[in-house]
Amino acid sequence: GAGVSQSPSNKVTEKGKDVELRCDPISGHTALYWYRQSLGQGLEFLIYFQGNSAPDKSGLPSDRFSAERTGGSVSTLTIQRTQQEDSAVYLCASSLERMREQFFGPGTRLTVL
Amino acid sequence: QKEVEQDPGPLSVPEGAIVSLNCTYSNSAFQYFMWYRQYSRKGPELLMYTYSSGNKEDGRFTAQVDKSSKYISLFIRDSQPSDSATYLCAGRSGGGADGLTFGKGTHLIIQP
Repeated sequence: GAGVSQSPSNKVTEKGKDVELRCDPISGHTALYWYRQSLGQGLEFLIYFQGNSAPDKSGLPSDRFSAERTGGSVSTLTIQRTQQEDSAVYLCASSLERMREQFFGPGTRLTVL
Repeated sequence: QKEVEQDPGPLSVPEGAIVSLNCTYSNSAFQYFMWYRQYSRKGPELLMYTYSSGNKEDGRFTAQVDKSSKYISLFIRDSQPSDSATYLCAGRSGGGADGLTFGKGTHLIIQP
């Protein structure tokens, strides 16, 4: 079946602009996660959704980062006023339910000039 | 100290060899352990998912968890050039935290 999909695959933006990254989880998966992977820090957890609610936002690095999920499916990660240190690969994962195996999408490579 | 530590490598072995990849962790609350394989410019692919201590085998892959020493291993038998990738280990506690905590990965090269 179809896996997790993410769009765009690559995004180049200028410092100070806002960006939106999209994630389509595996059909029927109730839990959705966002991670960030950068050269220096490795793979870091950002936020977790169960259905449309986000009980764990502990990994969001600043208030410039926000995310929402609608209809228990698609999720959007928004970064406002992007900075060069936001350059990274943003990965989305989904799982059938909380505490089950997480399956990752291909990621969005964000470059902030 | 980072919660999950991995030697970054690269680890280079000849085709057909048995590969041993290892991680240590510091969080005693970890109950679930995973190994992911990541090819260059691709998303991580789940290889093994284990709960608590013990061994789990799946084809050429064996995952081993020793909670007493906070040590997790992945063994790859009959290694193939297609196994060349970065291998990420991860842990998660049994309740409360939902995000995975990853090591930085070990870069593995299988020489034909």
